[in-house]
Amino acid sequence: GENVEQHPSTLSVQEGDSAVIKCTYSDSASNYFPWYKQELGKGPQLIIDIRSNVGEKKDQRIAVTLNKTAKHFSLHITETQPEDSAVYFCAGANSGGYQKVTFGIGTKLQVIP
Amino acid sequence: ETGVTQSPTHLIKTRGQQVTLRCSSQSGHNTVSWYQQALGQGPQFIFQYYREEENGRGNFPPRFSGLQFPNYSSELNVNALELDDSALYLCASSDIGNEQFFGPGTRLTVL
Repeated sequence: GENVEQHPSTLSVQEGDSAVIKCTYSDSASNYFPWYKQELGKGPQLIIDIRSNVGEKKDQRIAVTLNKTAKHFSLHITETQPEDSAVYFCAGANSGGYQKVTFGIGTKLQVIP
Repeated sequence: ETGVTQSPTHLIKTRGQQVTLRCSSQSGHNTVSWYQQALGQGPQFIFQYYREEENGRGNFPPRFSGLQFPNYSSELNVNALELDDSALYLCASSDIGNEQFFGPGTRLTVL
């Protein structure tokens, strides 16, 4: 089955700096890679996703890159703000058949004002 | 905020008991997936229901079972509770094959 590894497990940045979270996946059949933000006491919220036919996707301050050959994908947050502080999860899924989403262990991001 | 709701918010049970958790999917979604999230971990896939049928299952024992109803709401049932079942249980709804939207979860504590 799919295995998603994520690092770092914790990340502290100064407000205004950039944050980068990196993930690797094992199953070459995975073709959908969502990123989730989870705030305390809430369920994960989808913030951006990328499919395997695309190498990069951007949405305002958030961007995701995918290297299918290396099975790497990354989340980039620019101009970080205190409200970006949360736990971020990368995930991989094969959207064929049923969509079992396999999550990474999470990265706790702290943005220091 | 998604349109996915879960009940109850919190639940305390003792070992050996049975529990039922409920999930109402977002309007227009026909698929519900259930996940277990232990403290400090990522969510782990339990199973998925599509149009009232189980459509895939993760590495969880048979004492974890579920149902999906004609209105696409869903239940997760866990029998013979163990201490390690203490976790946040999340449901996510989707239109099959598309992005999943998560509810706030049910925090289960097994004593």
